[in-house]
Amino acid sequence: AQKVTQAQTEISVVEKEDVTLDCVYETRDTTYYLFWYKQPPSGELVFLIRRNSFDEQNEISGRYSWNFQKSTSSFNFTITASQVVDSAVYFCALLPSNTGKLIFGQGTTLQVKP
Amino acid sequence: SQTIHQWPATLVQPVGSPLSLECTVEGTSNPNLYWYRQAAGRGLQLLFYSVGIGQISSEVPQNLSASRPQDRQFILSSKKLLLSDSGFYLCAWTKGDLSGNTIYFGEGSWLTVV
Repeated sequence: AQKVTQAQTEISVVEKEDVTLDCVYETRDTTYYLFWYKQPPSGELVFLIRRNSFDEQNEISGRYSWNFQKSTSSFNFTITASQVVDSAVYFCALLPSNTGKLIFGQGTTLQVKP
Repeated sequence: SQTIHQWPATLVQPVGSPLSLECTVEGTSNPNLYWYRQAAGRGLQLLFYSVGIGQISSEVPQNLSASRPQDRQFILSSKKLLLSDSGFYLCAWTKGDLSGNTIYFGEGSWLTVV
């Protein structure tokens, strides 16, 4: 079975705190792709990052960083020095190769308080 | 650059009325197109996807249908809406080669069936 689990339903932090959003996936494919999307209150899904299964390098983009570990089937997302504008629902997703169909986790609601 | 638009943004329809949501993609050709629904529970469910004109695959049995009359146009329809059709509908696209390209989403359409 192919599945994405985001065990954290809601997280609340105070501005400037660091926060990590967990994502665990299941697949038997050797080639697959992982994504993170942000959904602000307006509803639109905003693409944040794409990783393929052969690239385990961690990535940093400004205050955002991603830790991909195939050994634990995890693709965690860390926001450093969180800001109120980071408040949103964050989705992790799995794209098995040759299917073209994204499999989403249930999402994690992040609330950053001033 | 590629863009995706869907409309209307908000819709309030009575039970039993028809539905038509439209989505167009610009700046690319032969994209894969998708309709997702996000119900109150927040999860994203794939409804339909299309790899070409007139080629529609349905993921779940339901009261909705999809059509692709042109290469970059995707329409979600219903002849008679049910209360359970309420939700947030998202159109999405990706390059049509199934090589794990990023899937990009439109702004979404909020449908309330009353």
